[in-house]
Amino acid sequence: GENVEQHPSTLSVQEGDSAVIKCTYSDSASNYFPWYKQELGKRPQLIIDIRSNVGEKKDQRIAVTLNKTAKHFSLHITETQPEDSAVYFCAASKDRNFGNEKLTFGTGTRLTIIP
Amino acid sequence: DAGVTQSPTHLIKTRGQHVTLRCSPISGHKSVSWYQQVLGQGPQFIFQYYEKEERGRGNFPDRFSARQFPNYSSELNVNALLLGDSALYLCASSVTGTRNEQYFGPGTRLTVT
Repeated sequence: GENVEQHPSTLSVQEGDSAVIKCTYSDSASNYFPWYKQELGKRPQLIIDIRSNVGEKKDQRIAVTLNKTAKHFSLHITETQPEDSAVYFCAASKDRNFGNEKLTFGTGTRLTIIP
Repeated sequence: DAGVTQSPTHLIKTRGQHVTLRCSPISGHKSVSWYQQVLGQGPQFIFQYYEKEERGRGNFPDRFSARQFPNYSSELNVNALLLGDSALYLCASSVTGTRNEQYFGPGTRLTVT
């Protein structure tokens, strides 16, 4: 089955600086890679995703890059703000595949933005 | 526009008991997935249901079962509760088939004593 590894487990960044979180996956058939943000005591919130037919996607201060050959993808947050502090999870799945769309999650990265 | 809803919010049970958790998907979403999130870890896939049929099952024992109703809401049942079943149980809904964005509900915090 799919295995997703995520690094680092904790990350502290000065406010205004950039943060990068990296994930690798094992199943070359995976083609959908979402990122979730989970604040303490709240639900995981989908913040951005990417499919294997593109190499990069950007949404304001957040971007995700995908390297299919190396089987790794990364989340980039620029101009970090205190409200970016949360646990971030990467995940992988096979998109558009009825009955096999389970998300396999990484272990999470606790991001702390230092004011 | 209502998001995914789950009930109850919190639940305390004793070992050996059973529990039923409920989920209502986003309007128009026909797929519901269940995940278990143990403190400090990422969510682990339990089941996916689409059009009232089980479409995927994770590595969980037979004590875990689920079903989906004609209105696409879903129940997760856990029998013979163990201390290790204590976790946040998350439900996610998706359109599925054409797009796979999964949106999570607030979860049910289950504590087994």
